[in-house]
Amino acid sequence: GAVVSQHPSRVICKSGTSVKIECRSLDFQATTMFWYRQFPKQSLMLMATSNEGSKATYEQGVEKDKFLINHASLTLSTLTVTSAHPEDSSFYICSARVQGASYGYTFGSGTRLTVV
Amino acid sequence: GEDVEQSLFLSVREGDSSVINCTYTDSSSTYLYWYKQEPGAGLQLLTYIFSNMDMKQDQRLTVLLNKKDKHLSLRIADTQTGDSAIYFCAEFSGNTGKLIFGQGTTLQVKP
Repeated sequence: GAVVSQHPSRVICKSGTSVKIECRSLDFQATTMFWYRQFPKQSLMLMATSNEGSKATYEQGVEKDKFLINHASLTLSTLTVTSAHPEDSSFYICSARVQGASYGYTFGSGTRLTVV
Repeated sequence: GEDVEQSLFLSVREGDSSVINCTYTDSSSTYLYWYKQEPGAGLQLLTYIFSNMDMKQDQRLTVLLNKKDKHLSLRIADTQTGDSAIYFCAEFSGNTGKLIFGQGTTLQVKP
């Protein structure tokens, strides 16, 4: 099946620095990717939808300038957490629509971000 | 708006059947999914069902869909300790084009 590779799996950064998370579709073209955030013992919260070659669509309450999303190619979407703070510590997961697949979506393995 | 609700916790003994329930509100849902998440990992698709079906079976997994009541369930037969995880129900909303998740049900399997 279609695979999305997400890196890094874990990252620790200092407050005030920026962190980039990458999601690559390995064997298919992902025109649409989704970025989710998951707090401990909670559900996945959709942060934004990225479409290749256009600006991302952010969900209400998500700061566009803090969570920069770039989807410059059909196989790569990135999420950059800018000027990270401890409250940004979370589990971030990307997902891609798989066109033509009845199951619809495939997910990355997630990135555990810890801001110290 | 769209909403998906699940019970938060289920505990069963190894070998028993587990039934995890989910309700949703969006009548335009076309696909409904069950995902499994183990600690620190991403989401693994377990199974899915089209909204025009009422049952789907896949080995130990049985999905039942009551579209009238907007109720979805996942039955795991002969539950094993390796089935311990968080299970998320999700619907694809035809209104928004988004995948909406429930809160997740933590399944604890006791030996």
